[in-house]
Amino acid sequence: EDQVTQSPEALRLQEGESSSLNCSYTVSGLRGLFWYRQDPGKGPEFLFTLYSAGEEKEKERLKATLTKKESFLHITAPKPEDSATYLCAWGGSNDYKLSFGAGTTVTVRA
Amino acid sequence: DGGITQSPKYLFRKEGQNVTLSCEQNLNHDAMYWYRQDPGQGLRLIYYSQIVNDFQKGDIAEGYSVSREKKESFPLTVTSAQKNPTAFYLCASTSGSGANVLTFGAGSRLTVL
Repeated sequence: EDQVTQSPEALRLQEGESSSLNCSYTVSGLRGLFWYRQDPGKGPEFLFTLYSAGEEKEKERLKATLTKKESFLHITAPKPEDSATYLCAWGGSNDYKLSFGAGTTVTVRA
Repeated sequence: DGGITQSPKYLFRKEGQNVTLSCEQNLNHDAMYWYRQDPGQGLRLIYYSQIVNDFQKGDIAEGYSVSREKKESFPLTVTSAQKNPTAFYLCASTSGSGANVLTFGAGSRLTVL
């Protein structure tokens, strides 16, 4: 069965304390692995798409990487404004939809 | 600015009532989607539509209905048959086919009293 699992469920960081979020997947025919950021009470916002193992993308303090079995979202020297829920999702090669993980809620304290 | 507009933002419903959530996009996107989000769970797909006058059931379609009469609009009706309708509902759209980047609306929060 295709599935995506995110860990940890919650992450509390001190400002400046770097860490990583994990998204492991067991899917067939992966078309793309997506990362989104969601603030409370709002819709998710797109961050990155990764298509092949070894690919990396960066945006400000965030860096996403992809292997054959998992993706990591690295947060370098986080600030309180990085506090949010981070969702990963996958798109299958024969699907017209994305399937989402449960998310990791990150809280960064000043 | 282009985007997706969902309304209402908050909605309260009595048990046994049907309610319709609106979703309008001006991005000229072909495909539109409805997801449901519950605390501690990922987004679950309710329905999606790739073209006008055509739509497919997602993973949790029971108790919901949709229509796609115009490219810009994809309303979701939560019927009285939905056993546990209290949730946060998200509408999304994307251009083209396949697993492209989704653009989301701000969401509608439905509470059943």
